[in-house]
Amino acid sequence: NAGVTQTPKFQVLKTGQSMTLQCAQDMNHNSMYWYRQDPGMGLRLIYYSASEGTTDKGEVPNGYNVSRLNKREFSLRLESAAPSQTSVYFCASTRDLTGELFFGEGSRLTVL
Amino acid sequence: RKEVEQDPGPFNVPEGATVAFNCTYSNSASQSFFWYRQDCRKEPKLLMSVYSSGNEDGRFTAQLNRASQYISLLIRDSKLSDSATYLCVVNDNRGYQKVTFGTGTKLQVIP
Repeated sequence: NAGVTQTPKFQVLKTGQSMTLQCAQDMNHNSMYWYRQDPGMGLRLIYYSASEGTTDKGEVPNGYNVSRLNKREFSLRLESAAPSQTSVYFCASTRDLTGELFFGEGSRLTVL
Repeated sequence: RKEVEQDPGPFNVPEGATVAFNCTYSNSASQSFFWYRQDCRKEPKLLMSVYSSGNEDGRFTAQLNRASQYISLLIRDSKLSDSATYLCVVNDNRGYQKVTFGTGTKLQVIP
């Protein structure tokens, strides 16, 4: 039962470096999401993909780009990392837009 | 004012105690309500949905008060394994871009 798989689980970057967080789900879900979680802020939506071939901005999209590669995979790219992007990133998926969110285990990113 | 507000706690309770959490929301158009559980350094997982008539799942009871715009979670006979952070989640059903998470209430059950 893999569910939602994220890689890498931990990453340390220097300011200005780029990286891609990978996410894959094996539940045949249509919708996928990227959230970030910061202390005292709750989970905030970065980008989402309601279905294969579509992506939309969430609450905090600045500094990020996404790709919905196929129905299974949804990646998040930081083109030029900044210390403000230090956070825990969660990928999630749902069968439809109102169903239960299934989360990956999280990716802990530190930008120095 | 935050869209979804929760008391951050921590709530420290002895095993066997009953504990209740409240969550208030500001958007009167909100349609769906949930409680998620998040263990330390883990991902959130759905605990239960909250229905208008209230609902119960074993030791857990969720209530919704639309007039006062709050939801509650009651845990009876607390177990050590209930120690976690409980996230209140509100959705106005216009898509998941409109889901709002509370910052969570931390529960520590003490032996």
